[in-house]
Amino acid sequence: GAVVSQHPSWVICKSGTSVKIECRSLDFQATTMFWYRQFPKQSLMLMATSNEGSKATYEQGVEKDKFLINHASLTLSTLTVTSAHPEDSSFYICSAGLGGGAADTQYFGPGTRLTVL
Amino acid sequence: ELKVEQNPLFLSMQEGKNYTIYCNYSTTSDRLYWYRQDPGKSLESLFVLLSNGAVKQEGRLMASLDTKARLSTLHITAAVHDLSATYFCAVDRGSGGSNYKLTFGKGTLLTVNP
Repeated sequence: GAVVSQHPSWVICKSGTSVKIECRSLDFQATTMFWYRQFPKQSLMLMATSNEGSKATYEQGVEKDKFLINHASLTLSTLTVTSAHPEDSSFYICSAGLGGGAADTQYFGPGTRLTVL
Repeated sequence: ELKVEQNPLFLSMQEGKNYTIYCNYSTTSDRLYWYRQDPGKSLESLFVLLSNGAVKQEGRLMASLDTKARLSTLHITAAVHDLSATYFCAVDRGSGGSNYKLTFGKGTLLTVNP
């Protein structure tokens, strides 16, 4: 089956530093990947759509200068949280779409837990 | 703006019992998904429902979709402890084809007790 990996699985950083999270599709190519964040015991909120070779599309209310997304290849998207603050602490999950037409679905990575001190 | 509502948000049930989780959504969509999430883990895809009247079953779980009523159900039959998890429905914002952008419900925390 389709596998999506994320690295790191967890990270602790000091306030003001930047953190990069990688999302890879291991056995398929994904022209589009998605980044979500999930606060404890809450639902997933779509942050942005990452398109290979072009700029990401951000959801309303998401600061694009704070959450930098780069989709460098068909198997790799990165999310960089710049100048992180404690309120950025969350569970970040990426996903990639597979297939087309009626058979499409999304596969989710294992998530990255970010804690900002 | 697409809104997705799940109920109940919390469900405690005994092993062997049946129950249904409901997912209502506010605007037209062609695709609805059900996911399972275990504590501290990411999402596991359970079902994708693509058309009105679609019904899919896997083990003790059965999902259905009524696009006219904008309602999906996830039915649990003879629950077992291993089904304890949080279940999310998610609706694709696209119509006439997927754009993959999903809006999630708040999730239903299911606890199955012996």
